[in-house]
Amino acid sequence: EAGVTQFPSHSVIEKGQTVTLRCDPISGHDNLYWYRRVMGKEIKFLLHFVKESKQDESGMPNNRFLAERTGGTYSTLKVQPAELEDSGVYFCASNPGPRSEKLFFGSGTQLSVL
Amino acid sequence: ELKVEQNPLFLSMQEGKNYTIYCNYSTTSDRLYWYRQDPGKSLESLFVLLSNGAVKQEGRLMASLDTKARLSTLHITAAVHDLSATYFCAVDLVRTPVFGAGTILRVKS
Repeated sequence: EAGVTQFPSHSVIEKGQTVTLRCDPISGHDNLYWYRRVMGKEIKFLLHFVKESKQDESGMPNNRFLAERTGGTYSTLKVQPAELEDSGVYFCASNPGPRSEKLFFGSGTQLSVL
Repeated sequence: ELKVEQNPLFLSMQEGKNYTIYCNYSTTSDRLYWYRQDPGKSLESLFVLLSNGAVKQEGRLMASLDTKARLSTLHITAAVHDLSATYFCAVDLVRTPVFGAGTILRVKS
């Protein structure tokens, strides 16, 4: 069974550019989460999809971040325009739901904004 | 707002010795997770603790949960090199796990 996959694994962009991160959850997992970790700090929640619906987007930092999950399969997280403070590792996780016992994580996308 | 605090944030361990890392959280929850992350890899689930007094063990790792004290511990017995990794605890809040900052464990020979 394929795990959660994220693309790209690394992205280096300049301030003001746009970047789109992609997450493919495990097939059949209704719940999809985006998290971000800034170096050495906690893994912060960004948002939660149940199928194609945004269940909770309270962690999205501002309107430069846009997440979509069309068709309830893969998800994209777009940052436009990117700022220096957006640098970090963006993790995607999924689980079958509801209240499943654990999250299955991808390896993350390391985003560096210069 | 739920806060999850881990300590220590960094732990240098000697092979063969025992250590404990702590996870405190600020509001009531009945579900706590421990994850392990190796550098550049995804987080892997270690334990899910679902009730007060829950204890789970896997190899040299043992996790426990005290919901009254809002505290979980991860105990390492006779540390070995392959336990070197970053360990995260996460507390469930209405279907959204909230993570701590992680504890970096390094085992020295």
